[in-house]
Amino acid sequence: DAGVTQSPTHLIKTRGQQVTLRCSPKSGHDTVSWYQQALGQGPQFIFQYYEEEERQRGNFPDRFSGHQFPNYSSELNVNALLLGDSALYLCASSPGQGVFGYTFGSGTRLTVV
Amino acid sequence: GQQLNQSPQSMFIQEGEDVSMNCTSSSIFNTWLWYKQDPGEGPVLLIALYKAGELTSNGRLTAQFGITRKDSFLNISASIPSDVGIYFCAGQYPNTDKLIFGTGTRLQVFP
Repeated sequence: DAGVTQSPTHLIKTRGQQVTLRCSPKSGHDTVSWYQQALGQGPQFIFQYYEEEERQRGNFPDRFSGHQFPNYSSELNVNALLLGDSALYLCASSPGQGVFGYTFGSGTRLTVV
Repeated sequence: GQQLNQSPQSMFIQEGEDVSMNCTSSSIFNTWLWYKQDPGEGPVLLIALYKAGELTSNGRLTAQFGITRKDSFLNISASIPSDVGIYFCAGQYPNTDKLIFGTGTRLQVFP
């Protein structure tokens, strides 16, 4: 039973570019949450998707947007990349809303140069 | 961004010793969670606490949900080399699914 799968594992982008990160939730999970983890810090909540809609959002600018597909997979898009966007981006899935059964993926390491 | 106060920041201990770390918040939480993160991996859940005063064990790990709902601690008994990693606490606000993470405790275990 595959857990949460994220792609790509690493990528390098130039300041000002746009990036799309992908997440496939664990089997049986229908809710996806995204977190940003800067080096040496704990993860910070970006937003959560459930039933293909953004349900909750953290303190991130509109440059951060997302989408959830009918198969529950999700994308995180970041526009106009800044150097400060360099971080590990984590996806977590859960069965329904709530943190019970929250499972994290291994993340995508984004470096902005 | 907001983070919980977690201490100590790092610990260097000898194999077999016990470890204790704690987390405090200015806000009340419904749920406290403790995670371990290895390099290049996502956080893995160790223990979940859902009720104030709750004391829960998972093998050599024991965690408690503070009575005030603003703090939690994690104890690891008889540490072993594979306990090495970064430990994070996380709290869930009432009526949201957002987790607020602590600043992390880096644990090193020497043989």
